[in-house]
Amino acid sequence: EPEVTQTPSHQVTQMGQEVILRCVPISNHLYFYWYRQILGQKVEFLVSFYNNEISEKSEIFDDQFSVERPDGSNFTLKIRSTKLEDSAMYFCASDTGRSYEQYFGPGTRLTVT
Amino acid sequence: AQRVTQPEKLLSVFKGAPVELKCNYSYSGSPELFWYVQYSRQRLQLLLRHISRESIKGFTADLNKGETSFHLKKPFAQEEDSAMYYCALRRSGYSTLTFGKGTMLLVSP
Repeated sequence: EPEVTQTPSHQVTQMGQEVILRCVPISNHLYFYWYRQILGQKVEFLVSFYNNEISEKSEIFDDQFSVERPDGSNFTLKIRSTKLEDSAMYFCASDTGRSYEQYFGPGTRLTVT
Repeated sequence: AQRVTQPEKLLSVFKGAPVELKCNYSYSGSPELFWYVQYSRQRLQLLLRHISRESIKGFTADLNKGETSFHLKKPFAQEEDSAMYYCALRRSGYSTLTFGKGTMLLVSP
């Protein structure tokens, strides 16, 4: 069964550094999402992406964040200058746009020191 | 703004006991409700959604618009049901999900 994949599984970075989190959504899916979960807190929506543009974003998704689909398979989340409070598990998800059943990746744990 | 509330952080039951994981929501429109489950060291996966009205792994959930609830129930818990359960809401016209904080279900032998 096709799955959403994410790399790396764990990323450690220093405050102020740029990070890029990578996701490969399921190939026939059209909608892509990033969520994050700070330890002990709930899963929070960051951004959704459809037809090569952002379709919705949350208040969390400020100018430090950007998303891109550089080719036909990857979907990336870039954090330009990481802060300590960006430490979280970042989940990528995708869906077909018909059933709105979102398929989640295994997550990337980002640790900012 | 929409909100999903799961009042219990942890629910601990014995095998064979009934289980009810509570979920309440607030949203002015007509929502779609989901239950997602995360087993140990696995990814979040959809368990069920209210519009399909089906039973998955013995779990059912009914949307009660009057009480704005979508509680997850199972009559006889199994050890393999131990996992983190998240209730989620999709607003009409949008694709994104709003999650509750999750409830950890522990089923002991």
